[in-house]
Amino acid sequence: NAGVTQTPKFRVLKTGQSMTLLCAQDMNHEYMYWYRQDPGMGLRLIHYSVGEGTTAKGEVPDGYNVSRLKKQNFLLGLESAAPSQTSVYFCASSYLGERFGEQYFGPGTRLTVT
Amino acid sequence: KNEVEQSPQNLTAQEGEFITINCSYSVGISALHWLQQHPGGGIVSLFMLSSGKKKHGRLIATINIQEKHSSLHITASHPRDSAVYICAVIAGTGNQFYFGTGTSLTVIP
Repeated sequence: NAGVTQTPKFRVLKTGQSMTLLCAQDMNHEYMYWYRQDPGMGLRLIHYSVGEGTTAKGEVPDGYNVSRLKKQNFLLGLESAAPSQTSVYFCASSYLGERFGEQYFGPGTRLTVT
Repeated sequence: KNEVEQSPQNLTAQEGEFITINCSYSVGISALHWLQQHPGGGIVSLFMLSSGKKKHGRLIATINIQEKHSSLHITASHPRDSAVYICAVIAGTGNQFYFGTGTSLTVIP
């Protein structure tokens, strides 16, 4: 099993450009999450999904959109990138039910917006 | 306001020392996680616990729900334990996670 994978690993954008980050998991997890990690701050939840076709806002959703058209994929979109979105983005997934909450993380995507 | 506070922020230890990292939280929780983030950036879940104590190898995690406090202990520390250790809690509603800012541990040979 590959676990949780993220594409791309690195990206540099100019202000105003758009991009999509792809997260894929092969563990049949119901829950998927997008976080950002900034120096001196804990991980912060951007959006999450409790199942295929559903999404919900987290702590810092502004400037991002998400979609979960297939259970195994969770996409994070930036429509008009801003320097404040320079960060490391982590995707995670978890089971629903008894093991709810134990999250499996992807390797991260380092995004720089100039 | 930070729902999860960790201490210390930075910790340097000699190989073989016993290490304790603390986590205090202010919300009602259904479970607490300890995560490990290595210098390369990857994040791994070490423990998820909602009561008592769990042990895995040289790592021990405890939680006191009444005091809203958890500790992560590392016995016989090794340089490969050098990483950032992150405490995270699942709020009682089950859909919100709060993360601490992490404790950066360096173990010197």
